[in-house]
Amino acid sequence: ETGVTQSPTHLIKTRGQQVTLRCSSQSGHNTVSWYQQALGQGPQFIFQYYREEENGRGNFPPRFSGLQFPNYSSELNVNALELDDSALYLCASSLGPDRGPNYGYTFGSGTRLTVV
Amino acid sequence: GENVEQHPSTLSVQEGDSAVIKCTYSDSASNYFPWYKQELGKRPQLIIDIRSNVGEKKDQRIAVTLNKTAKHFSLHITETQPEDSAVYFCAAGFYGQNFVFGPGTRLSVLP
Repeated sequence: ETGVTQSPTHLIKTRGQQVTLRCSSQSGHNTVSWYQQALGQGPQFIFQYYREEENGRGNFPPRFSGLQFPNYSSELNVNALELDDSALYLCASSLGPDRGPNYGYTFGSGTRLTVV
Repeated sequence: GENVEQHPSTLSVQEGDSAVIKCTYSDSASNYFPWYKQELGKRPQLIIDIRSNVGEKKDQRIAVTLNKTAKHFSLHITETQPEDSAVYFCAAGFYGQNFVFGPGTRLSVLP
């Protein structure tokens, strides 16, 4: 068990709806990154949160937003869902730059979102 | 921004043979290069990584080499086993920050 948990594991939504995905980081990790992985592709960076602030964002529209809470857990919100938003959404936690060198992410199992 | 290319997209080897996957990156400032293995329906798992101040790193049957001048890095798996069959992703970026992933290589190890 990696210690990064995501919920829900699967979700089906209708186009135009809104969705919230949740992630609990591994103990001791204060940084959470979100990735979108479409079928047959590599993960694409959405954004990263460090100490409750957004710390970098990929090429995703503003309808993708997030939050990080004082316990370092995080949410990903997607508004006005489109069919192309169907993907596996991965959360990864890591040590932040204030915690010294770190060696990559610990990924959660992901949330598979299907938009119909 | 960073761009990562990965080749081949699919690779089939006989059990016991070696497998090599190659990646190139565009941003010379990138300093961290992890490799992930993803089995069907599962999360990506870090299998080995290398930092820009090191040219080679080995962990049992897995090794990674980095050529900073040419901006490419490679994953080498020796004595392949059926359980090595999976999709492998390379990535480039800055540790502690975000990475850019390659498109993946589907490795099949044939018994």
